[in-house]
Amino acid sequence: AQKVTQAQTEISVVEKEDVTLDCVYETRDTTYYLFWYKQPPSGELVFLIRRNSFDEQNEISGRYSWNFQKSTSSFNFTITASQVVDSAVYFCALSEADYKLSFGAGTTVTVRA
Amino acid sequence: DTAVSQTPKYLVTQMGNDKSIKCEQNLGHDTMYWYKQDSKKFLKIMFSYNNKELIINETVPNRFSPKSPDKAHLNLHINSLELGDSAVYFCASSLVGQQETQYFGPGTRLLVL
Repeated sequence: AQKVTQAQTEISVVEKEDVTLDCVYETRDTTYYLFWYKQPPSGELVFLIRRNSFDEQNEISGRYSWNFQKSTSSFNFTITASQVVDSAVYFCALSEADYKLSFGAGTTVTVRA
Repeated sequence: DTAVSQTPKYLVTQMGNDKSIKCEQNLGHDTMYWYKQDSKKFLKIMFSYNNKELIINETVPNRFSPKSPDKAHLNLHINSLELGDSAVYFCASSLVGQQETQYFGPGTRLLVL
C-alpha cells in the first residue's frame, strides 16, 4: 500500500500565484519524520524541509510554508507568489522506524511567466 | 565542495554488460543508500548501508550488488544489464539513529540499449 499519497499529478500556475501541494501519509508508528524534496529540471533532489511527528507547528521559510496536521495525516506545502524557478517536481516523503524514505509519486509544478 | 557525489553522471551501455556506479559522501555520515527513480519519476529505495554493513535490502534482483569499502563510499554494481534497468540511480547519505535528513547525490542516468 502506498504510504505517501500526492493526489495532484501536475499543477500549472501563472507567476505570482500561490500554489499548494497536498500530501497525505499513512503510518502506524508514533515517531516518524516527514520531508519535502524538490527535483528541478536539472534532475538533482534538493532537501526542503523535515518535520518530526511530535512537532505540528507550521513552518515558513521565505516564500515556502508547510502545514502539518496529524489529525488528517497531511503535510501540505504552499509556495507563495510563485516564480518560474519554482518549476520542478516536488516529492513528499515519510521516514518511519526503519529509516527508509517512502516517497510519494511527486507533483509536477509548472510556473508560467 | 560536493557533499554527495556520484560517477558517472550518464551511463549508456548495451544489454548484458556489467557496470558500476560510484558514490562518495564527505558529510561524515554513517549511513548510505541507493534509490532508483523510474521513467515515471517514482523513487524507491534499493539498499542501505550503515558503517559498511547492509541494513536495508529491498526486493532487488541479485544482479544488483552494493559494496561499501568504507562508510564514506557506497558503490553499486549491476551484472547482466537489462532494458528495464534504465533509470536514474540516486545515492544518499544520512546519520542513522535519529532519522536524520537524507542528502542526495546528483543522480546517475543509466540507459540500457
